[in-house]
Amino acid sequence: QQQVKQSPQSLIVQKGGIPIINCAYENTAFDYFPWYQQFPGKGPALLIAIRPDVSEKKEGRFTISFNKSAKQFSLHIMDSQPGDSATYFCAAHFSSNTGKLIFGQGTTLQVKP
Amino acid sequence: NAGVTQTPKFQVLKTGQSMTLQCAQDMNHNSMYWYRQDPGMGLRLIYYSASEGTTDKGEVPNGYNVSRLNKREFSLRLESAAPSQTSVYFCASRVTGGIDTIYFGEGSWLTVV
Repeated sequence: QQQVKQSPQSLIVQKGGIPIINCAYENTAFDYFPWYQQFPGKGPALLIAIRPDVSEKKEGRFTISFNKSAKQFSLHIMDSQPGDSATYFCAAHFSSNTGKLIFGQGTTLQVKP
Repeated sequence: NAGVTQTPKFQVLKTGQSMTLQCAQDMNHNSMYWYRQDPGMGLRLIYYSASEGTTDKGEVPNGYNVSRLNKREFSLRLESAAPSQTSVYFCASRVTGGIDTIYFGEGSWLTVV
């Protein structure tokens, strides 16, 4: 019940394409869903996040779509660029004050020029 | 402003040896975390500290101990290293209260032979 399942494991798109990464969860106690971006040799960094009372959130070229009834959420990257090549993690936060995040397995994205 | 600083960045240990990973943050955050990252597994929480003087187990605490030395520092100790502890370790921190960004360090690459 504490798992967050992420797919696909890897993704290759051409520049300008729209990669989509999907995540699913089971525990309805989760109340915050961030996406982290990680470049090789670096720590993850917050990219964008959403709460379950919102169905969509956009920040620049990055969009989260959230389906509360299906317990699924996804990341869309519009007009993808080679600089977006990185590993992306979805995560979920429990309804408590500890700030613990449960991460998905990660998706390695390659955007070809 | 250094953020979250981890040392060492790279370490090779022999099975059975002990070592301590050090972590310090200069953002005056209350909560600190240790995660490990393994291929295809995402980031898994080892231990966390919601505030100075408190520590709690995460998803994968076996084989590890932690110390919250003060508000700034949170160390992770491997008492008797095993090859299964070969991983990349990330320290992170956040302000307790509300849901804020978790900031990660740049990681410590540990190999146990």
